[in-house]
Formats: sequence, C-alpha cells, structure tokens
Amino acid sequence: ETGVTQTPRHLVMGMTNKKSLKCEQHLGHNAMYWYKQSAKKPLELMFVYNFKEQTENNSVPSRFSPECPNSSHLFLHLHTLQPEDSALYLCASSQAQENSPLHFGNGTRLTVT
Amino acid sequence: GQNIDQPTEMTATEGAIVQINCTYQTSGFNGLFWYQQHAGEAPTFLSYNVLDGLEEKGRFSSFLSRSKGYSYLLLKELQMKDSASYLCAVRDSNYQLIWGAGTKLIIKP
Repeated sequence: ETGVTQTPRHLVMGMTNKKSLKCEQHLGHNAMYWYKQSAKKPLELMFVYNFKEQTENNSVPSRFSPECPNSSHLFLHLHTLQPEDSALYLCASSQAQENSPLHFGNGTRLTVT
Repeated sequence: GQNIDQPTEMTATEGAIVQINCTYQTSGFNGLFWYQQHAGEAPTFLSYNVLDGLEEKGRFSSFLSRSKGYSYLLLKELQMKDSASYLCAVRDSNYQLIWGAGTKLIIKP
C-alpha cells in the first residue's frame, strides 16, 4: 500500500467543468509534486512544493491551479480543460534531499470530453 | 537539450535474465534513479546510482558509467510479476529530474 494517496482514481469531465484532484502523503516528507503522464512519453513535471512553498511551475497552463495548504496535502484544481489534457496525473512526495527518491500515488486517470 | 533514451519495449522469458539500458545527455549529473511501474499503479523506487559501478539489490542490479552517460538495470531469475514498465531518471546540475519514456517489459512463460 502506497504512503501517498490520490483521489479520485478516475475522473471524466467536460471542458466546461471544474474539478479538483486530491493528494495526501503519510510519510512525513517536506516536498510534494504534480506530474502528468501520457502514453509513451516521459513524465512531465508540473508543480513542486517545498515546505508548502511553490518552487516550480513548468509553464503549465493556467487552467491547472495547484494548492498546498500544508506539507501533507496537495490539490490540483482543474477548469476549462482541453481533450489533450487527458492523461494520468501523478502526485509524489519526497524529502528535500538530492538523493531522496520520489514516492508516488496511484494517480488519477483523467478523461476530458 | 536534455535527453534520456530507453528501449520502448522488451520481451524476455520467465527464469531468464534481462538488461534494460538507459543512456542520457543532461546538463550535469547528480544521480540516476530506476523505477518500476505496473499498469495502472504508482511508479515505485528500485535503485539509485551516483557513483560508477554496480549496485545489487536482490534479483535487481543497476550499473552506472558517468563517463559514458550510461546505465542499465539487470533483472535476474525473471518472474511473471516483473512484467511492468521501467523508468530511468537523471538529476541534472539544477537537481531537476529528467525522465525517460520508460521501457515496457513483457515476460513470457
């Protein structure tokens, strides 16, 4: 069982909907990440939070909005998405150390119709 | 640009040995990670190499040559449950993780 929990596991939404993805980590880590995973492509880093402060925003469109209320919780708010945003969205956490591996959640499979 | 290359797919036989290669061109190097990802599940950490040489962990070993920009993951005594995707990732000089697209490993009886 993973120490990083993501909900929901699956989400289907229309382009005009607003939804949120939730991530919670129980590992005492101080860094949290959102990644996008598309078929046969490398993981794409979207956002990074260290000690609740956003330290990375990889030119992600504003229709994706992250929120990190504390070091254990991370949200990704979605609005007016496009069909090409359909993908697996993975949350991860780690200690903020160079050799610390990422611990991933099982992801949310998002389909935009 | 920065790039990680891995084979897209490999097939091996149960009980055999398979080597999954990863070559990288990055701006600096601060360690290389291997992850395993079963279909529909989270990637899970397998190994970390920062110095040249072989790291062994049970049936899995990972090798690194920094001068060649090369690593491999060696899986011995293959089991059906080893069917998964294997992801290679490198930390660059800015400590950013650069990911490969993954190698899908299919194990046949």
